[in-house]
Amino acid sequence: GEDVEQSLFLSVREGDSSVINCTYTDSSSTYLYWYKQEPGAGLQLLTYIFSNMDMKQDQRLTVLLNKKDKHLSLRIADTQTGDSAIYFCAERPTFSGGYNKLIFGAGTRLAVHP
Amino acid sequence: DVKVTQSSRYLVKRTGEKVFLECVQDMDHENMFWYRQDPGLGLRLIYFSYDVKMKEKGDIPEGYSVSREKKERFSLILESASTNQTSMYLCASTAGYENTGELFFGEGSRLTVL
Repeated sequence: GEDVEQSLFLSVREGDSSVINCTYTDSSSTYLYWYKQEPGAGLQLLTYIFSNMDMKQDQRLTVLLNKKDKHLSLRIADTQTGDSAIYFCAERPTFSGGYNKLIFGAGTRLAVHP
Repeated sequence: DVKVTQSSRYLVKRTGEKVFLECVQDMDHENMFWYRQDPGLGLRLIYFSYDVKMKEKGDIPEGYSVSREKKERFSLILESASTNQTSMYLCASTAGYENTGELFFGEGSRLTVL
């Protein structure tokens, strides 16, 4: 099918690392994305990874891509209360043509507690 | 700063009413999208447009229509609102093919149909 799957909830203690996992469908997807949605707001691109990469690091964020298993993860180091949000995994499958029709997962709600 | 503006943040309508949701982007983007966001279901594509007066159905177009008379504006129309169309509606835009595919989102329009 065309489902991008991710768990719905994650709860972590402030200062710990958070790991959000995602499985996607199209092994030929060129780009994979993590979007963040804060309460009452639209989605904002957090980071993305090109399919020829295994890992991408950007300050507290680390993205790991396992193309063989079609698995994407987002690690947030030293998680803060401001990281509480919904995180969406998304892929751009090859059948999207030139229109950037992304397929989104259901979103993982990250709750950070003291 | 790039901007996607959705004219109505909150709307309450009655069953059978015609509803217009407006979206304007200031980035000269070719592609514009309407998504519906429901808890546990993530984002589902209703319609998208890749040029003025051009549109294509997404995954859940039933009960909706769209209009794109100008490049910067993409409207979602509910001809006869029903209670199962109560949802958060997100508009997004993106440039053409040769880019990372980043979608820029508006803040969303929360529609309640009574």
